[in-house]
Amino acid sequence: AQSVTQLDSQVPVFEEAPVELRCNYSSSVSVYLFWYVQYPNQGLQLLLKYLSGSTLVESINGFEAEFNKSQTSFHLRKPSVHISDTAEYFCAVSRNSGGSNYKLTFGKGTLLTVNP
Amino acid sequence: GAVVSQHPSRVICKSGTSVKIECRSLDFQATTMFWYRQFPKQSLMLMATSNEGSKATYEQGVEKDKFLINHASLTLSTLTVTSAHPEDSSFYICSALPGQRYEQYFGPGTRLTVT
Repeated sequence: AQSVTQLDSQVPVFEEAPVELRCNYSSSVSVYLFWYVQYPNQGLQLLLKYLSGSTLVESINGFEAEFNKSQTSFHLRKPSVHISDTAEYFCAVSRNSGGSNYKLTFGKGTLLTVNP
Repeated sequence: GAVVSQHPSRVICKSGTSVKIECRSLDFQATTMFWYRQFPKQSLMLMATSNEGSKATYEQGVEKDKFLINHASLTLSTLTVTSAHPEDSSFYICSALPGQRYEQYFGPGTRLTVT
């Protein structure tokens, strides 16, 4: 079984400041790692994912995350946030094998609030 | 591409009635679909995994007779909440997994309120 820990339930920051949302995972098998973003009363949107290869993955809107196997972490970072980044962010893992094994285990989420 | 819809987006029903929620993959075929439940300000909890043409696999603690899942085709899965009670009020989200892919695509969610 897998588990995901998001260490911060809420992260308030000022606009244009850098931010890091922390995520640690536990698994006995190899995993895929994901960050999803959820805006109020909406479903989840994939922000970025790590499957294999380069441990640093980037999204189109300036977020990046680095897979650290030794620390079992997949922290999300952005060097300069915008008001529009205010949302709930979920870290998730799945086994890297097929079919229903791709079910996701989510962390509890981090509410990022960007203040002017 | 990879759009998943849910219908309805919001539903209010009386205690004791049943409610059906549809999840459709609009531009791809989904061999596997997942149903999640999300309580306010909490994470998503997987309820069940449905595979087209076979019975759903329910997570521990989820009542399969209360939450009926039917994956009738490669583009449609339904969740029926039977004999709904106020404690079933929640945000239900589905996701769909294209064949030979590892990435789930999520629907916009359905807000169920049982009065």
